[in-house]
Amino acid sequence: EAGVAQSPRYKIIEKRQSVAFWCNPISGHATLYWYQQILGQGPKLLIQFQNNGVVDDSQLPKDRFSAERLKGVDSTLKIQPAKLEDSAVYLCASSQTGYSTDTQYFGPGTRLTVL
Amino acid sequence: AQTVTQSQPEMSVQEAETVTLSCTYDTSESDYYLFWYKQPPSRQMILVIRQEAYKQQNATENRFSVNFQKAAKSFSLKISDSQLGDAAMYFCAYRNTDKLIFGTGTRLQVFP
Repeated sequence: EAGVAQSPRYKIIEKRQSVAFWCNPISGHATLYWYQQILGQGPKLLIQFQNNGVVDDSQLPKDRFSAERLKGVDSTLKIQPAKLEDSAVYLCASSQTGYSTDTQYFGPGTRLTVL
Repeated sequence: AQTVTQSQPEMSVQEAETVTLSCTYDTSESDYYLFWYKQPPSRQMILVIRQEAYKQQNATENRFSVNFQKAAKSFSLKISDSQLGDAAMYFCAYRNTDKLIFGTGTRLQVFP
């Protein structure tokens, strides 16, 4: 079974530029999560999708971050414009149903550096 | 709000020895789940072990076991017969019906 795929693995941009990350969850998984992991910290949930609907985006900085999950499969996370403090690893995860009993499976992440 | 605390930023262990990583959490809920995730340099978070709060029996997965003390809100991870491949960041995490909340992690070094 293929795992969660993410691209790119690394991205370096200047502040005020835009960037987009892509995630392909495990086949059949209804729930998709985007996390932000700042150096020295644990991951923090940015947004959770159930199929193609948003379940929780309470910690997403909506003035600059946006995410979509068209057709309930792949997802993209965009930052526009980027700030220095957005430098982090962005992790995508998926789970079968989204219930709290479900295991979340993580992708390898995208390391973003904002200069 | 729920919080997860890992008070050991770094730990080290000799190969084949046993090490225990500490985790405490704060919640007013009675039904929840606790997890230990491993994050190697490849950055991919890998589930090591999980514990349901309603279960009194401590979870075990091969060389990994937990000491779950619900009243003390403590959830430590014991790694027996440590191997070089165990070297990684270890994150403790909590979840009830809401989001998964992670601690700040413990970096484990394994020496031959």
